[in-house]
Amino acid sequence: GENVEQHPSTLSVQEGDSAVIKCTYSDSASNYFPWYKQELGKGPQLIIDIRSNVGEKKDQRIAVTLNKTAKHFSLHITETQPEDSAVYFCAATSSWGKLQFGAGTQVVVTP
Amino acid sequence: DAGVIQSPRHEVTEMGQEVTLRCKPISGHNSLFWYRQTMMRGLELLIYFNNNVPIDDSGMPEDRFSAKMPNASFSTLKIQPSEPRDSAVYFCASSLGQGGGYTFGSGTRLTVV
Repeated sequence: GENVEQHPSTLSVQEGDSAVIKCTYSDSASNYFPWYKQELGKGPQLIIDIRSNVGEKKDQRIAVTLNKTAKHFSLHITETQPEDSAVYFCAATSSWGKLQFGAGTQVVVTP
Repeated sequence: DAGVIQSPRHEVTEMGQEVTLRCKPISGHNSLFWYRQTMMRGLELLIYFNNNVPIDDSGMPEDRFSAKMPNASFSTLKIQPSEPRDSAVYFCASSLGQGGGYTFGSGTRLTVV
């Protein structure tokens, strides 16, 4: 089955700086790669996603890139703000559309 | 839409008791997922329903866990008997079709003492 590795596990950035989270996946048949943000006491919330026919997607301060050859994808957050502090999860689809999640990255944005 | 609704938000129970968690998916979504989240194991898929039919229950830890989806707007996850190691946050999520984004509920924090 699909295996998703996520790095780093924790990331501390200064407000205004950029944050990058990287994930790798194992199943070359995977074709959908969402990113979720989980705030304390809440469920994960979809923030951006990318499909395998696209190499990059941007939505305001967040962007995701995908390298299908290398089987890795990344989340980029620019001009970080305190409200970006949360746990971020990457995920990739396996056979029937089941999402396999990475272990998560705790992002802390310090003023 | 109110999103995916889970109840209760918190549940504290004694070991050996039966626990029932409830979920109402987003109207029109035909896929429903139950996840368990712990610090040690992260987000684990327990079971997946498509059009109310269980498709993959390979993540259900053991026979003490069971899940049902009697109709398109309601699902339950039952643990009987509960054990302290079942303590976790249980999430329900729904989606439209396969290969799309999930919408998660706010979760049920279960504590078994």
